[in-house]
Amino acid sequence: ETGVTQTPRHLVMGMTNKKSLKCEQHLGHNAMYWYKQSAKKPLELMFVYNFKEQTENNSVPSRFSPECPNSSHLFLHLHTLQPEDSALYLCASSQATLAGPLGSYEQYFGPGTRLTVT
Amino acid sequence: GIQVEQSPPDLILQEGANSTLRCNFSDSVNNLQWFHQNPWGQLINLFYIPSGTKQNGRLSATTVATERYSLLYISSSQTTDSGVYFCAVERESNYQLIWGAGTKLIIKP
Repeated sequence: ETGVTQTPRHLVMGMTNKKSLKCEQHLGHNAMYWYKQSAKKPLELMFVYNFKEQTENNSVPSRFSPECPNSSHLFLHLHTLQPEDSALYLCASSQATLAGPLGSYEQYFGPGTRLTVT
Repeated sequence: GIQVEQSPPDLILQEGANSTLRCNFSDSVNNLQWFHQNPWGQLINLFYIPSGTKQNGRLSATTVATERYSLLYISSSQTTDSGVYFCAVERESNYQLIWGAGTKLIIKP
């Protein structure tokens, strides 16, 4: 247990569906992250939230829409996905500062949601 | 951008063996972390090591920042050590983690 939970653990969806991934952290952190892990590729950072404000969007297609209602919860809303979006989606959290850059803090990961788009 | 290379890409060992995993990076970084991803996908922090040497049980890590590499040592391997080991470096400009492709380790009983 890392203190970061993700639901659902597995998700199969059609290209016309809308679904959401949920992440919750119980570590008192203020920064949260979405990563995508595809087979045979390094982890790709998608979004970063620092104190509920989005600070990074690494050129992610608009069919992925993040939401951070508070520092403990992070969502990834999915709509009209493509089969190449099938991957393991990982959420992470870390300590943070309000001063801007996140600084050198360890990231703690959830177990991931394995997404299959059919 | 920063390149992170891990070697070897795959490693198969018998239980009880020792191993050394390597991470090379192409530019100055703020920090470096080692992670273990188990077969079910869970990533666990192993070390947060910008420089020097740290030890945690059978695992230890050494980072030589001036020469841009880090080593992860696993001694007396157990089957539960199987999985993928990732090195991630923290970019100086925006503190983002850049990940290597990982070393897949299989420990046979």
